[in-house]
Amino acid sequence: LAKTTQPISMDSYEGQEVNITCSHNNIATNDYITWYQQFPSQGPRFIIQGYKTKVTNEVASLFIPADRKSSTLSLPRVSLSDTAVYYCLVGDMFSGGYNKLIFGAGTRLAVHP
Amino acid sequence: EAGVTQFPSHSVIEKGQTVTLRCDPISGHDNLYWYRRVMGKEIKFLLHFVKESKQDESGMPNNRFLAERTGGTYSTLKVQPAELEDSGVYFCASSQGGTGLAGELFFGEGSRLTVL
Repeated sequence: LAKTTQPISMDSYEGQEVNITCSHNNIATNDYITWYQQFPSQGPRFIIQGYKTKVTNEVASLFIPADRKSSTLSLPRVSLSDTAVYYCLVGDMFSGGYNKLIFGAGTRLAVHP
Repeated sequence: EAGVTQFPSHSVIEKGQTVTLRCDPISGHDNLYWYRRVMGKEIKFLLHFVKESKQDESGMPNNRFLAERTGGTYSTLKVQPAELEDSGVYFCASSQGGTGLAGELFFGEGSRLTVL
């Protein structure tokens, strides 16, 4: 199972763009990259998912280079409410369900006024 | 549409007692997962149901833990007898079934278990 490595913590200010990079050197062919956000006392919440190149939704963008050994979550113009823990997960999504997703320590993002 | 709901939100029991956690997945979701985070550790996979069948239970820590999903709807996770190291937050998640891309995993808010 692919293991992921992310920075333990990051600090930013309101209105800035935040980029969180995740390394997954052992990613397998069938693995997708998914990012989750978690606030205190809540369950993780899906942000974005991708396989290669770039994916964008209303919340974030996900950049995945050709070798897929890393990925970068980009949050445009963060606000105080974006303060949370962000998890990068890699897993096989072609089994009709997630195959034992592994949560790492995540990146604790603190957004300051 | 209701999300994944878990009950109770917090349970405090004494060592040796039994606790049953319940999870109601999103209606129509075939896949149901249990994860947990014990104090200071990362979120760990426990098991995965596809409808009423256990697809993968390799994360269950020991035979004190029993998960069921009768009729492929809600699921229960029973801990009997509870030990101190079982304290933590137990998350349930669900996702749609099918043979294609699994997509989003929806998590509940968790059940916090405190064993004294």
